[in-house]
Parts: sequence; structure tokens; C-alpha cells
Amino acid sequence: DAGVIQSPRHEVTEMGQEVTLRCKPISGHNSLFWYRQTMMRGLELLIYFNNNVPIDDSGMPEDRFSAKMPNASFSTLKIQPSEPRDSAVYFCASSLLVAETQYFGPGTRLLVL
Amino acid sequence: DQQVKQNSPSLSVQEGRISILNCDYTNSMFDYFLWYKKYPAEGPTFLISISSIKDKNEDGRFTVFLNKSAKHLSLHIVPSQPGDSAVYFCAARSGSARQLTFGSGTQLTVLP
Repeated sequence: DAGVIQSPRHEVTEMGQEVTLRCKPISGHNSLFWYRQTMMRGLELLIYFNNNVPIDDSGMPEDRFSAKMPNASFSTLKIQPSEPRDSAVYFCASSLLVAETQYFGPGTRLLVL
Repeated sequence: DQQVKQNSPSLSVQEGRISILNCDYTNSMFDYFLWYKKYPAEGPTFLISISSIKDKNEDGRFTVFLNKSAKHLSLHIVPSQPGDSAVYFCAARSGSARQLTFGSGTQLTVLP
């Protein structure tokens, strides 16, 4: 079992550039979550999907952030334009719809200069 | 407003002794609680959980206690091992909601 796969693992970009983070959930899982971890705010939920449908995006900071899940095996989180305050570690997690436990990917460490 | 609070950012314990990590919550609707462990450069991994219908759940060296009246839970690790050194996150969920609310984490260091 490959676990949740995220790419890239590290991303350094300049302010104003578009950033796309990618996630492949565990096969068979039908819930997918995007989290952001910062020193100030800890681990916070940005958005989650059930069966590829966005359910709750109230954690998305602003319109610069968008997330998609075109199919059960792939999701993206896009930031356009990126700002230095977006620098954080972004985690993707997946779970079975009826299960409690979420399985996390290794994260993408984003640095916006 | 933090609904899940871990007031101790760090904890150091001697190998072989007990580690006690604490977590408080304010939302009385939370009915399921989880502990995750996180090593540097890795994602959090699930450790143990407890439903609000229980007050204790044990898995090997790890035991979680829940005190609903105090809105408090704790994770006990006995005996502590150097490999337990990590950041521990408390998380909570309410009803049929899928999302978890996480605490800010406690860095546990187990000294050999």
C-alpha cells in the first residue's frame, strides 16, 4: 500500500506566481482533506471532498486558493497568485467515508519569497 | 477561538518513565477524539482514538483517557521510549462531520 502521495515535496516560488500542489489518495478512500500547518495556526483544515465533491471549503483562506478533485485518485490545491504568508506545509489526507481515521501524506513544504 | 487546546508546547521525559500529554476542548458537540504522532518531514500518523461513550482506550503502551465533564483528554505512554520522541496532536470530531479539529501539538522528547 503506497499511502497518500503528495507532490512536490518542496516548492520554492516567488510572490505572484501560481503554485499547484498535487495529491493522490489511498486507493479506495472516498474522502480527501487538504490541511495547512503553520507555526501560528497549527494544523488547520482548508477543504474536504466526499466522493470527489467539495463538502466544506470554509477553511480556504481566500479566493486565491482553489481545490479540485477531478477523479477519485487525484486532487489539486492551487494558489494564484501566491504570497509570502502562504508559506507553510500543506498536507493531504484521505479516509474511507464511514471511517474515522484519516491517513496523511508526507506534506508539501511551500516557501513563497 | 481554538476549540482544541494543547497548552504544553513541549514535554521532556526520561526513557522508561510515563509520558502524559494533555488536551482540552471547548465544543461539547465533539464525540470522537484522536491522537496523531508526527515525525519531522513526515505527515501525522494515527495513534489511538476514543469515542465519547468510553472513558478509556488502551493499545499496547498507549492509553487515552477521556473526562467528558472536564472536557479533557490525555494520552499516557508507558514506558516511554526514545522512538516516541515526536510531535503529538490531539484532534476531535463532532457527529457526522468528517472534518477533524486539531490542537497545536506537543513536542515530546524522551531522553535516553
